[in-house]
Amino acid sequence: DGGITQSPKYLFRKEGQNVTLSCEQNLNHDAMYWYRQDPGQGLRLIYYSQIVNDFQKGDIAEGYSVSREKKESFPLTVTSAQKNPTAFYLCASSPRRQETQYFGPGTRLLVL
Amino acid sequence: GEDVEQSLFLSVREGDSSVINCTYTDSSSTYLYWYKQEPGAGLQLLTYIFSNMDMKQDQRLTVLLNKKDKHLSLRIADTQTGDSAIYFCAESLYSGGGADGLTFGKGTHLIIQP
Repeated sequence: DGGITQSPKYLFRKEGQNVTLSCEQNLNHDAMYWYRQDPGQGLRLIYYSQIVNDFQKGDIAEGYSVSREKKESFPLTVTSAQKNPTAFYLCASSPRRQETQYFGPGTRLLVL
Repeated sequence: GEDVEQSLFLSVREGDSSVINCTYTDSSSTYLYWYKQEPGAGLQLLTYIFSNMDMKQDQRLTVLLNKKDKHLSLRIADTQTGDSAIYFCAESLYSGGGADGLTFGKGTHLIIQP
């Protein structure tokens, strides 16, 4: 059953803590993306990766970091430098760059 | 610049047609997309249209594109309660040199009245 999985569904962060959100896809897609969604807002691009071992900043990369060591996986770390991390985080992938993007189910990050 | 605008809410009666509108500002858009989001869920791709087309139909969904006015619409025929969701319009620019992400509107909440 092909698709994009994100875990966990809910994640809690304490002050000063780094947390990592998982995104895995078994669609054999080259490109992967992370977006942030705030209530009543559209999605904003955090980071994207066109190919393994390569990634670029999106519009709101400050306070976040990513890695792309495997084609299937694109984890996002929300660092303590991100002062307003509470949001819904969505991962997406596309067969190649500039092609249609498909989304995972999302992770909701809450700050304790 | 990049900007995608949508109305925040649309209320329709069950069985009627819903028309969700979107305007965009960048004339170099290549593809325009409609995604559906149900509460607490990710985005589901509904349909997309290439910028050299003016209409696309897929079962109950009809997409109209007016490039001159930079206006995109999604018509849902025979609206059902399961259509209740937030609908996002998105454009891809891919004009070279820019990021590869999509630019999204803020979403239109479709409310179905019985």
